[in-house]
Amino acid sequence: QVQLVQSGAEVKKPGASVKVSCKASGYTFTSYYMHWVRQAPGQGLEWMGIINPSGGSTSYAQKFQGRVTMTRDTSTSTVYMELSSLRSEDTAVYYCTRLAAAGTINYYYGMDVWGQGTTVTVSS
Amino acid sequence: SYVLTQPPSVSVAPGQTARITCGGNNIGSKSVHWYQQKPGQAPVLVVYDDSDRPSGIPERFSGSNSGNTATLTISRVEAGDEADYYCQVWDSSSDLSFGTGTKVTVL
Repeated sequence: QVQLVQSGAEVKKPGASVKVSCKASGYTFTSYYMHWVRQAPGQGLEWMGIINPSGGSTSYAQKFQGRVTMTRDTSTSTVYMELSSLRSEDTAVYYCTRLAAAGTINYYYGMDVWGQGTTVTVSS
Repeated sequence: SYVLTQPPSVSVAPGQTARITCGGNNIGSKSVHWYQQKPGQAPVLVVYDDSDRPSGIPERFSGSNSGNTATLTISRVEAGDEADYYCQVWDSSSDLSFGTGTKVTVL
């Protein structure tokens, strides 16, 4: 079955970096773009960016430009999201989620498969 | 970024109809998706491209979009529909946006 399995919870100090992984299975990894979305405690969903697992191209939300890096490893069907210069406001659950359309960016499709979420806590 | 406004909460009795709105400037010209999120769980796509349902989503969930408002309608509401609901829009003109979220309470 199609699934996304994320790495475990992290606790980081302010100013540090965190790298979250998301391993895909059950479908052709390089055929579907992957988003990253986060959710602070008690808050709504916030889009961070998207990566094309095929070529590795990325597009980041303006808010995270310069602080986020998304990469992929096609040999293990895994995408990564690294966030640097962490502050307390970055405490959140981070999700990887697949763009439902195969092969291309397509605004007419939503996010059809979600990882289980990775809790990142930033605290001194 | 593109602002999407939802009512914070909607309450509905079992068996009745819940309507959740998502307001945005000329949102009728964009494709709107809706997600259901239950406590402690990842979101689930319930409607995409304004009114289409992914496989496995009950026909009780439907959507519409016109002018400055998109609407998710849940017919014959059940206790299991109690959750937070988010609209989402994305196009080439701005970053992907989520709505502010609506908590649906089944009375």
